[in-house]
Amino acid sequence: AQTVTQSQPEMSVQEAETVTLSCTYDTSESDYYLFWYKQPPSRQMILVIRQEAYKQQNATENRFSVNFQKAAKSFSLKISDSQLGDAAMYFCAYLHSGNTPLVFGKGTRLSVIA
Amino acid sequence: ETGVTQTPRHLVMGMTNKKSLKCEQHLGHNAMYWYKQSAKKPLELMFVYSLEERVENNSVPSRFSPECPNSSHLFLHLHTLQPEDSALYLCASSLALLGPPYGYTFGSGTRLTVV
Repeated sequence: AQTVTQSQPEMSVQEAETVTLSCTYDTSESDYYLFWYKQPPSRQMILVIRQEAYKQQNATENRFSVNFQKAAKSFSLKISDSQLGDAAMYFCAYLHSGNTPLVFGKGTRLSVIA
Repeated sequence: ETGVTQTPRHLVMGMTNKKSLKCEQHLGHNAMYWYKQSAKKPLELMFVYSLEERVENNSVPSRFSPECPNSSHLFLHLHTLQPEDSALYLCASSLALLGPPYGYTFGSGTRLTVV
């Protein structure tokens, strides 16, 4: 079974600085999809960024980028120029295909210090 | 709002009560999901409906009963719950089976407290 591991239960970053959240996963598949979701206190899970495993290029969405290392099964999220609104729980998730469910890690709580 | 609406946002119920959680999406998605989110635990997948048929049931106790009357609506019927069932219940939807998956769209959840 696929598993997703987030080894950092909590992280903090100064406003305007850069922070990296770690994620590793275990799978025997070669084709899959990886996601980072943000869950602010409003509780709504919001998709931050998506990566297709067959693409070597790292995904980027504005201040958010990933470092995808397929051989190492690592998928870290980098947040640049951190803002107070970035404070939230961040979940890494794995999806094999559209027919299989999304598998989540335990999450990392990010605090942003003004 | 992301397009997935869950009601109620909060629910307190006794162990002998019967209640239902509702989820609604008008995104044209064809798959819907119930997840349970407890403190310090990964999100647990409970049920999956694809094209209105239940395709996954992860050993969830029978006191939880899902219903998907159409592709836009999903219910979770609750009866004789236990205090350990207190959690945030999240509904999600996706466009499954058609091309690369773009992830799920989630609702804001129902915070359930069993007393």
